[in-house]
Amino acid sequence: SAVISQKPSRDICQRGTSLTIQCQVDSQVTMMFWYRQQPGQSLTLIATANQGSEATYESGFVIDKFPISRPNLTFSTLTVSNMSPEDSSIYLCSVLRGGGETQYFGPGTRLLVL
Amino acid sequence: QQQVKQSPQSLIVQKGGISIINCAYENTAFDYFPWYQQFPGKGPALLIAIRPDVSEKKEGRFTISFNKSAKQFSLHIMDSQPGDSATYFCAAPGYGQNFVFGPGTRLSVLP
Repeated sequence: SAVISQKPSRDICQRGTSLTIQCQVDSQVTMMFWYRQQPGQSLTLIATANQGSEATYESGFVIDKFPISRPNLTFSTLTVSNMSPEDSSIYLCSVLRGGGETQYFGPGTRLLVL
Repeated sequence: QQQVKQSPQSLIVQKGGISIINCAYENTAFDYFPWYQQFPGKGPALLIAIRPDVSEKKEGRFTISFNKSAKQFSLHIMDSQPGDSATYFCAAPGYGQNFVFGPGTRLSVLP
């Protein structure tokens, strides 16, 4: 398994501000993923973050809005920039283990934008 | 782009009953199909997974049945308990190294 922590666990933010979410993993992983889960919805992949290279963004997500850092093999950050109420969601960090097959999730960051 | 369909959207079962959730996928880069369980306020947790070299995998009260030719797999929860009340997501490999998730099934087990 994998032990994944996220900070903050929840936040309430004002429109137009930015929030940086941190993800810490208990051991080194090559790939880290950031997902968004809107209320009552499924998980949507935002981007894949490899250490030492630029993050790869999924259709509909752009670096200017969701910049990602991956400074080492156990840590990543996702910034939600210039927030609007539509950004209110749960943001989840995830990693692959088990030979690259099994995906584990952090507890999530619950964001409310007013 | 991989798409994963899941049904039903919601399910209500009496305690002790069988809960069945179905999932269908399109194409896969590799063969590994997990189910995740998510409680309110928590991240999804891996529940059970199958590689389709077998047609069925059982872990306690949870069983995955797999039909490779039909590109379908299902989760069976035997002797359902109120503590099983959660949202369940199936997933199939995407075209990268991530998984694509179904829309989820909200299970309520009545006491």
